Amino acid sequence: SYELTQPPSVSVSPGQTARITCSGDALPKQYAYWYQQKPGQAPVLVIYKDSERPSGIPERFSGSSSGTTVTLTISGVQAEDEADYYCQSADSSGTHWVFGGGTKLTVL
Amino acid sequence: EVQLVESGGGLVKPGGSLRLSCAASGFTFSSYSMNWVRQAPGKGLEWVSSISSSSSYIYYADSVKGRFTISRDNAKNSLYLQMNSLRAEDTAVYYCARDRPSSSGFDPWGQGTLVTVSS
Repeated sequence: SYELTQPPSVSVSPGQTARITCSGDALPKQYAYWYQQKPGQAPVLVIYKDSERPSGIPERFSGSSSGTTVTLTISGVQAEDEADYYCQSADSSGTHWVFGGGTKLTVL
Repeated sequence: EVQLVESGGGLVKPGGSLRLSCAASGFTFSSYSMNWVRQAPGKGLEWVSSISSSSSYIYYADSVKGRFTISRDNAKNSLYLQMNSLRAEDTAVYYCARDRPSSSGFDPWGQGTLVTVSS
């Protein structure tokens, strides 16, 4: 079955830039989405269609795509950004959604 | 305000059944595809099932196909997940989530309902 691969953890100091990657064979053909999940809360969409930002999401969140890898970039990380981040995409058929394993972002 | 509220979770024995509901408000429910996503305790997100606005298209993860059935009642602004032959590995918080238009992601999500499968 199709898989999306994320690093388990990323750590950055406040004000630095965090980059979280997500790899998958179908990513050149399927859009990627990113969700932020804080403890005890439901996930929140922060990036859609690789690089679009929903209204209400701070500009420090951005997304990019290159080949089989997509990247979520958080510029000027703040303490409130500490959370789990999940990428999502569809398999090659476009009928089944897949989530990456998640990346825990720690703000030192 | 767009809102999704899940209900129906609880403790069930292996092999048992449970029906989850998701009540939608604040938007035209009949115009949106909907989804169920689950999260086992301490684990990541797992997509479970999707249903199109008119129920014409329905998809399941391999892990639940043949055991779970997604449905909706647009007149009642409600989404459902009938879960049969439950296993311990189905223990999770189950979220319903709306598909944004033009494949723009899942948003919003409900607060989730916990399903525990244990003897």
